[in-house]
Amino acid sequence: GAGVSQSPRYKVAKRGQDVALRCDPISGHVSLFWYQQALGQGPEFLTYFQNEAQLDKSGLPSDRFFAERPEGSVSTLKIQRTQQEDSAVYLCASSLALGREWYNEQFFGPGTRLTVL
Amino acid sequence: DAKTTQPNSMESNEEEPVHLPCNHSTISGTDYIHWYRQLPSQGPEYVIHGLTSNVNNRMASLAIAEDRKSSTLILHRATLRDAAVYYCILMNYGGSQGNLIFGKGTKLSVKP
Repeated sequence: GAGVSQSPRYKVAKRGQDVALRCDPISGHVSLFWYQQALGQGPEFLTYFQNEAQLDKSGLPSDRFFAERPEGSVSTLKIQRTQQEDSAVYLCASSLALGREWYNEQFFGPGTRLTVL
Repeated sequence: DAKTTQPNSMESNEEEPVHLPCNHSTISGTDYIHWYRQLPSQGPEYVIHGLTSNVNNRMASLAIAEDRKSSTLILHRATLRDAAVYYCILMNYGGSQGNLIFGKGTKLSVKP
């Protein structure tokens, strides 16, 4: 079956441009996460959705970052007025859910590599 | 979630076992130990997880110390495809929404 897909795989933007990154999670997965991975570092949490509800956006680095998942499936991460420090790989992950006593693994997409010139 | 400590890098020879250590001295009684790995140019992938008992699956084994302050991921026969960054992550299910807190991980190199 299809895994998590992300598009585009690569994006080059000029400083100040707006970008939109798309994530198609595995069908039926309730939880969706966005992570940012700088070069040589581990991924860092950005935001979390449970179905269409954005329950945690504490990791978004500034108000230029905005994420949505309007129908509880596809999600879009938008970055307005991109800056050079936004250059990173943006990873999307989905999972069935997280229960109090069980764990459903997160399935990651291949990521979108954003380069801001 | 409690912090983990891993070596920055390790080397292994192909077809030999690999033991990847992780220290988590501040682990709480309800923290589960998870391992993910990230192959070059790919997103992370789940490897294994456990609470107290040792765990085995088709990818690896997880050995957990009796005091739970450390654990070891064991790859029984390393292949070139196992070259990746391995992350040891703690998670308390009851107090978490599920987002993973990655450190820098251990970069495993496998020599032919």
